Amino acid sequence: QVQLVQSGPEVKKPGASVRVSCKASGYTFTSDGFSWVRLAPGQGPEWMGWISAYNGNTNYVQKFQGRVTMTTDTPTSTAYMELRSLRSDDTAVYYCTRGARPIDYWGQGTLVTVSS
Amino acid sequence: EIVMTQSPATLSVPPGERATLSCRASQSVSTNLAWYQHKPGQAPRLLIHGASTRATGVPDRFSGSGSGTEFTLTISSLQSEDFAVYYCHQYNNWPALTFGGGTKVEIK
Repeated sequence: QVQLVQSGPEVKKPGASVRVSCKASGYTFTSDGFSWVRLAPGQGPEWMGWISAYNGNTNYVQKFQGRVTMTTDTPTSTAYMELRSLRSDDTAVYYCTRGARPIDYWGQGTLVTVSS
Repeated sequence: EIVMTQSPATLSVPPGERATLSCRASQSVSTNLAWYQHKPGQAPRLLIHGASTRATGVPDRFSGSGSGTEFTLTISSLQSEDFAVYYCHQYNNWPALTFGGGTKVEIK
């Protein structure tokens, strides 16, 4: 069965960077891409962008352009999302998901807390 | 950006009763609409895609309908495991996908 297992919680100071990993299993890694979605307290989910696991092509939401980088590593079947210049309003649970149209599987989420 | 508005924010329903959740898009998304169920501490689960197609393994008490800007998720007879937050999600407007704010279904 499809599984997406994410890295553990992170606590960061404002201005720092965070990298979240997502190890995929149960399907052919390069057959689909990954969307990254975040869920902040009291808000609905926010789609951040997508990366093709086949060729590395990316689409980022304009709001995150210049601050986010999504990558994949085929030999380890792992996707990564790095977010830089963190602010307090980046505090959220970050999810890696498979696909985009639609998203069909979600990881368990990684809590990223940004606090001084 | 297409804004997705869900109503109500909270729905209180007795077990065994029907629940009807609404989702409205600020512009047409055709039938490129999905519904997800999210329980605390768990990964969200795809219930419906293409506005009305149940995902694999989803019980038939869940049904989706609508097209364009108005969509509905119906749970015909609420079971204890159905109490959760439900999100709608449009994937028509690439690459600016958006979600609704969610409807929490709670036990009455």
